[in-house]
Amino acid sequence: EVQLLESGGDLVQPGGSLRLSCAASGFSFSSSAMTWFRQAPGKGLEWVSTSGSGGSTYYADSVKGRFTISRDNSKNTVYLQMNSLRAEDTAVYHCAARKEGKYFDYWGQGTLVTVSS
Amino acid sequence: QSALTQPASVSGSPGQSITISCTGTSSDVGGYNYVSWYQQHPGKAPKLLIYDVSNRPSGVSNRFSGSKSGNTASLTISGLQAEDEADYHCCSYTSTSWVFGGGTKLTVL
Repeated sequence: EVQLLESGGDLVQPGGSLRLSCAASGFSFSSSAMTWFRQAPGKGLEWVSTSGSGGSTYYADSVKGRFTISRDNSKNTVYLQMNSLRAEDTAVYHCAARKEGKYFDYWGQGTLVTVSS
Repeated sequence: QSALTQPASVSGSPGQSITISCTGTSSDVGGYNYVSWYQQHPGKAPKLLIYDVSNRPSGVSNRFSGSKSGNTASLTISGLQAEDEADYHCCSYTSTSWVFGGGTKLTVL
């Protein structure tokens, strides 16, 4: 059974940092591109960052320079280091796996990040 | 504001069919056959329903179908069932990223 389990969400003050983790199981993690999405309250999904299976990384303009995606294939885990957090970063953060195509095969339930003083 | 435009809500009675539209531009929906749809029940993980405009993953009911015309993609659900009540998200690949609609809440009356 495929599982993606996010953790690390919390309440943090503006300007603070947080690291999210996504532990994967049940599929070939090392050969999958892993992506973080977020969904702000009452809003649609937003692509945040992707870690390709070959190690390349991509970021949305809204988080470039503040967020860093990384992966540990030995632990089947992808991370999102979030620095200089802003109120507009408040959202549920989901990780998702993409095997081959331009779509996302598996998703996690998400972890809530709240940026507020 | 989301890049793709979906109706905020749709509704239908059990057994009926409904269609959810997803309108973008020639830079996303109209430019690629890489539209996907996801179903999300409250508090749950999104689930892939349709990929590459009209393909269903193994295990997804054939009551779900997708299509595209120009810059607008559509998801049709036939034979509505109570368990179809959920949020539906459309997604399109662009040359550099993925964009989504704002999501559509389906209510089964």
